[in-house]
Order: sequence, then C-alpha cells, then structure tokens
Amino acid sequence: DAGVTQSPTHLIKTRGQHVTLRCSPISGHKSVSWYQQVLGQGPQFIFQYYEKEERGRGNFPDRFSARQFPNYSSELNVNALLLGDSALYLCASTLLATEAFFGQGTRLTVV
Amino acid sequence: ELKVEQNPLFLSMQEGKNYTIYCNYSTTSDRLYWYRQDPGKSLESLFVLLSNGAVKQEGRLMASLDTKARLSTLHITAAVHDLSATYFCAVDKPTGNQFYFGTGTSLTVIP
Repeated sequence: DAGVTQSPTHLIKTRGQHVTLRCSPISGHKSVSWYQQVLGQGPQFIFQYYEKEERGRGNFPDRFSARQFPNYSSELNVNALLLGDSALYLCASTLLATEAFFGQGTRLTVV
Repeated sequence: ELKVEQNPLFLSMQEGKNYTIYCNYSTTSDRLYWYRQDPGKSLESLFVLLSNGAVKQEGRLMASLDTKARLSTLHITAAVHDLSATYFCAVDKPTGNQFYFGTGTSLTVIP
C-alpha cells in the first residue's frame, strides 16, 4: 500500500507569490490534515478535512486555505507568501480517531 | 487553547543509560501519540495510547498515559545511538483528527 504522498518535495518561492501544495492520503482514509513545521519547532495544526468538509482550522491567517477533492486528495494554498511561511508542510491522513500517518512533507522556502 | 509541553527540550545521554521524557497537556483527552522525527525527515509513529493507564513497549522505548494527571511519559532503557532523534508527543482534539504537538525533545545518545 502506498503511504501518504505529497508534492512537490521542495519549492522555492518569492515573497508575495502564491503556492499550492498537494497531498494524496492512504487509500481508504477520508480525513486529511495539514501541519506547518518551522525549523526547530513542533508541527502546528493548520486544517483538517473529512469527507470534503472542513472540520477544523488552526490559528493561521486567511492567506491559508485548503480543500479536499472527491477522491480525498487535498490541496493547501497559501497566498501572498511571507518569509515566515518558510517551513516544512506536512500532510497527514487518518482513519477515524486513530494515529495520523504523515507524508514526507514539502519544504517551502520563501526568498 | 490546547497546549502540549514536553521536557526536557534537549537530552544528551550516554549509551546504556535510562531516561524519561515527559509530556503534559492542558485539556481532557484520552488519546495521546508519540512520534519520532529524524533530521530533515517526516514523522514516524511510535505509540498510540488510547486510554487511561495505557502502557506500550517497543524495543527500548516504553510509553504510558495518565489521563487524570494529563501526563504521558516516554521511557528509554539502555539507550543506543540509533535512538538519537527528536521525539514529539501529540494530543488529539476531542473532535478528532486534529493533532496538537509538543515542543519536541531532541535526544542525542553519545557512544
């Protein structure tokens, strides 16, 4: 079975640009959540989606948005990028109230 | 706001020694998770603790959960170099599948 896959692996963007990150969950997992991990810190919860509906949002500005598609894959969008958005973005898929399985992450660098 | 705190933040220990990492959290939860992260890598699930008094062991690592004290511990027995990594605990919000991570404990095992 394929695990959680994220694309791209690495990305370099300029301040003010927009970025889209993608995630495919484990087959059969209907819940996807997104996390931001700044270097030296623990992952911070951004969004959770279940059955294409937003079920939770962390303390992030409106520049961050996400959606989930009928096949349960998900996109995270960030507008008007700031230097502080540079981080490892992790996607996790879960099967109901169980452990989260994380993808390898997308490392975003904003210059 | 749900807060998860770990201590110590940094731990340097000699091979063969024992030590415990502590994880305190601020809200009622019956679900606690431990993850391992190697430098530049994603999160690897170690333990899932789903009830008060739960204890799980895998190799040289043992995790326990006391939901009344809102405390989990990760005990390391006879440390080896391969255990060097950052360890995170995470609590799942009662609504499910929204993980809040601790600050992380960076463990270095010295030969």
